[in-house]
Amino acid sequence: DQQVKQNSPSLSVQEGRISILNCDYTNSMFDYFLWYKKYPAEGPTFLISISSIKDKNEDGRFTVFLNKSAKHLSLHIVPSQPGDSAVYFCADPGTGNQFYFGTGTSLTVIP
Amino acid sequence: SQTIHQWPATLVQPVGSPLSLECTVEGTSNPNLYWYRQAAGRGLQLLFYSVGIGQISSEVPQNLSASRPQDRQFILSSKKLLLSDSGFYLCAWSVPGATYGYTFGSGTRLTVV
Repeated sequence: DQQVKQNSPSLSVQEGRISILNCDYTNSMFDYFLWYKKYPAEGPTFLISISSIKDKNEDGRFTVFLNKSAKHLSLHIVPSQPGDSAVYFCADPGTGNQFYFGTGTSLTVIP
Repeated sequence: SQTIHQWPATLVQPVGSPLSLECTVEGTSNPNLYWYRQAAGRGLQLLFYSVGIGQISSEVPQNLSASRPQDRQFILSSKKLLLSDSGFYLCAWSVPGATYGYTFGSGTRLTVV
């Protein structure tokens, strides 16, 4: 079975510092992953993705790293801002008809 | 452009009452449609998904059901709500076979009292 795990349910970081959110996976079909961000009482929104041909993808303050040998990916946010406080989900899209989401990490950025 | 509508935004229902949540997608044809639930302090749990009209796959045994009466309409129902049905329900759509992501609706906060 494909499985995506986020072992840290919560993370607190001071404003301006780096936030690192981690995700481990097993049996990914394409080694392609996405990160979603979710505010309370809203639907998740797509944040950033990474494919197996890269080990890093950067978009502004957000960078995702992929370590295929370790089956691990991480999302770095630097510098962290209070508006980044949200729940972050990593996801494996599998074949595209059914995504596999991690359990989420709740990030709190302290002003 | 494609949009997804989900309503109502919040709902408070007594135990044993019925439920109907509706989701519609505009601007696309034959989307894959999904219902997820986020219970308090937990991740996103896939409840149902549909790859076409009348085609529903259930991922978790429960007292909920889903229907897709039209191509871009997805309905989540229950005949009798339980306290454990409380949560945040999300509808989503995707292009069949595409790996570049779901688009989620804004969600429905259901509280069963």
